[in-house]
Amino acid sequence: TQLLEQSPQFLSIQEGENLTVYCNSSSVFSSLQWYRQEPGEGPVLLVTVVTGGEVKKLKRLTFQFGDARKDSSLHITAAQPGDTGLYLCAGAGGGSNYKLTFGKGTLLTVNP
Amino acid sequence: DTGVSQDPRHKITKRGQNVTFRCDPISEHNRLYWYRQTLGQGPEFLTYFQNEAQLEKSRLLSDRFSAERPKGSFSTLEIQRTEQGDSAMYLCASSPRGAPGAQYFGPGTRLLVL
Repeated sequence: TQLLEQSPQFLSIQEGENLTVYCNSSSVFSSLQWYRQEPGEGPVLLVTVVTGGEVKKLKRLTFQFGDARKDSSLHITAAQPGDTGLYLCAGAGGGSNYKLTFGKGTLLTVNP
Repeated sequence: DTGVSQDPRHKITKRGQNVTFRCDPISEHNRLYWYRQTLGQGPEFLTYFQNEAQLEKSRLLSDRFSAERPKGSFSTLEIQRTEQGDSAMYLCASSPRGAPGAQYFGPGTRLLVL
């Protein structure tokens, strides 16, 4: 069974601060996805990383996939209140399925 | 470009009733997934279609659950004889050829079984 552990579970910071969220597993994934979810809504895809060691930047967000494709991190620079939400990482298995295994998420609150 | 849509957004039912949810994926996406999410948890995989073929079902999907994707377009998820433990957010996602891990989710259907 593939498991993904996210840390921290909760994070409350002030506007302008930087933060990093971690996603770790003992399993290898074919790709790793990061999502943000608002209350009562479905997850919104932020990024997909596929290659070990890959780094992707999306404005103030930087995503990294571990060399062994077992872990990932999300770094936010100069957080804003609009970044508030539940951040979920999800690993895709290989073969022909690609079903996603999700972590429990990191609930981020950015205070003005 | 319209995203994944789900209907209804909310459903309240009494224990023992049947419910059916609909998902319309992004057009031209060949893969369609159903997930279930409970409070404080990430989504959990239920079942998966490639075109019209249902290729995998999770052990979470008891025999009271059935899903279809006729003609490889929209999909329906039916729950028969609902139980209070079925209360959850039911999420549908679709992904394109060439990037099957990049799954785009709909807004979900929130089910409450009384």
